[in-house]
Amino acid sequence: AQSVTQLGSHVSVSEGALVLLRCNYSSSVPPYLFWYVQYPNQGLQLLLKYTSAATLVKGINGFEAEFKKSETSFHLTKPSAHMSDAAEYFCALSTGTASKLTFGTGTRLQVTL
Amino acid sequence: NAGVMQNPRHLVRRRGQEARLRCSPMKGHSHVYWYRQLPEEGLKFMVYLQKENIIDESGMPKERFSAEFPKEGPSILRIQQVVRGDSAAYFCASSPPRTGNTGELFFGEGSRLTVL
Repeated sequence: AQSVTQLGSHVSVSEGALVLLRCNYSSSVPPYLFWYVQYPNQGLQLLLKYTSAATLVKGINGFEAEFKKSETSFHLTKPSAHMSDAAEYFCALSTGTASKLTFGTGTRLQVTL
Repeated sequence: NAGVMQNPRHLVRRRGQEARLRCSPMKGHSHVYWYRQLPEEGLKFMVYLQKENIIDESGMPKERFSAEFPKEGPSILRIQQVVRGDSAAYFCASSPPRTGNTGELFFGEGSRLTVL
């Protein structure tokens, strides 16, 4: 069985500060890992994905994540937060093609002036 | 719009009524997934379907919930005799056939069910 743990249900940063959202996973097989973003009352939009190629993955809106097998982590970062980054972020795991995604419980990012 | 289409976007039902949520996958996608998001919680997997087949229903409640993906037409998530605890956002996602599939799901904007 696989699982995803997101540490910190709420994270608050100042505009311009570093964003770090944590994600750890557990999987018995090599995983595919994803970060999705959800704005209020909307669906989920893919930010980036790791599919066993480069361990440092760059996504949209300046976000990136690094896959660290030794730490079973896939933390999401952005060097400088913008007000428009305020949203809920979900880390998710898949164990192969055409398989369901297992989601973490989400981290709500607040960006303050 | 070539994305995943869900309707209705908002649905209000009284306790005991039936709710039907529809999902049309992206063009060329043959796999459909339904997820439920309760207030202030993450997304919980419900069911995974391909055309005319339920592949994985391990997340479906044992009673009152059913899903189908017929040969023609959208996928339907049906909730019979709704209760207040069914109030949630229901998201549909789709993915392409096995070839070229990296596990990414493409999500619709969700159907928000409110049970009075």
